[in-house]
Amino acid sequence: DVKVTQSSRYLVKRTGEKVFLECVQDMDHENMFWYRQDPGLGLRLIYFSYDVKMKEKGDIPEGYSVSREKKERFSLILESASTNQTSMYLCASRVVGSPLHFGNGTRLTVT
Amino acid sequence: AQSVTQPDIHITVSEGASLELRCNYSYGATPYLFWYVQSPGQGLQLLLKYFSGDTLVQGIKGFEAEFKRSQSSFNLRKPSVHWSDAAEYFCAVGGDNYGQNFVFGPGTRLSVLP
Repeated sequence: DVKVTQSSRYLVKRTGEKVFLECVQDMDHENMFWYRQDPGLGLRLIYFSYDVKMKEKGDIPEGYSVSREKKERFSLILESASTNQTSMYLCASRVVGSPLHFGNGTRLTVT
Repeated sequence: AQSVTQPDIHITVSEGASLELRCNYSYGATPYLFWYVQSPGQGLQLLLKYFSGDTLVQGIKGFEAEFKRSQSSFNLRKPSVHWSDAAEYFCAVGGDNYGQNFVFGPGTRLSVLP
């Protein structure tokens, strides 16, 4: 079974802090994704990566960056957290032609 | 541009009743279609997928979905709902391109009455 692990279930940070959300998958998947999920807005793609050191902007990349130094790990970085980045963040991975496999999510609160 | 609509924001059914959740998509090529379920505070779990072949696909937990190309629909069904099915359900469409992202519908929240 594919396992996608997000390092934190709940995170509380202060405005202006630099925040790292970590995601690790154990199935050698090429593609990895970061989504945010907000009530009424569904899932919105922030960034995705189709290979190590490769990244593509999704629909809402502003205020975020990503890092993929190793195939199994995809990090989402909030350079300077703001209250409007309070949300549920979901990491996912896949091989081309297969469904997305999701982690359990990180609920981030920025105060 | 690809898109997914789920016309029902919230559905309530009684335990034991049948269920149908609607999904319509817009996609320029042959779509890959998915249904996911999300329990409160959890990530999304894949219920079933359609890639090609038989248009009626079976999934986990007794769910099935039917792909109808002429109607651009991929509705999810279950003959008898259990209280544990209460959750949010997302329909998604995605291609097979390298790095191709997915588009998710807004979700349908299912409540189950005892």
